[in-house]
Amino acid sequence: GEDVEQSLFLSVREGDSSVINCTYTDSSSTYLYWYKQEPGAGLQLLTYIFSNMDMKQDQRLTVLLNKKDKHLSLRIADTQTGDSAIYFCAESISNAGNMLTFGGGTRLMVKP
Amino acid sequence: DSGVTQTPKHLITATGQRVTLRCSPRSGDLSVYWYQQSLDQGLQFLIQYYNGEERAKGNILERFSAQQFPDLHSELNLSSLELGDSALYFCASSVARTSYGYTFGSGTRLTVV
Repeated sequence: GEDVEQSLFLSVREGDSSVINCTYTDSSSTYLYWYKQEPGAGLQLLTYIFSNMDMKQDQRLTVLLNKKDKHLSLRIADTQTGDSAIYFCAESISNAGNMLTFGGGTRLMVKP
Repeated sequence: DSGVTQTPKHLITATGQRVTLRCSPRSGDLSVYWYQQSLDQGLQFLIQYYNGEERAKGNILERFSAQQFPDLHSELNLSSLELGDSALYFCASSVARTSYGYTFGSGTRLTVV
């Protein structure tokens, strides 16, 4: 079955790097995603990685995928107070249409 | 503004009632998805429509139904409401049936009292 797990909370200082981790159980995942949710808003797609990739970099964001351990991480360099939000990882599976299974979300707090 | 429009933003209703949530997808998107976000269940996929036809079904209760109209907007109907149905209901859209990464609307917050 599908299960996506994330830690609940992360606190960092402004300017530091943040690393948000996620584990998933379904080895047939095709794409893995990171979404950001700010208070009162919907989910904003930050980045995604195809399951045959190990790493993807997009400006301040770096996604690492360890398919053997089913571990996904999102690194945010030079974290700013505006990065404070809830971050969700999600997986899509090739035989499940385009349904996304989300983790419970990690609340990132950035202290000035 | 993501381009996906959901109305109303807030809805308060009593148990046993029926409500309709509306979603207009981003221009050009043919797929619409509905998700429920609650504190205890997190984000749960409910249902997907593609160009008017049901494409995939998730954890959607029998009391809930949805449809997508010829103009591609979608409605989620929730009936015989219970306190536990209180949640944020998100609509998302994408171009194709299996596009990666959808665009989410800002949600409808439903409170059942």
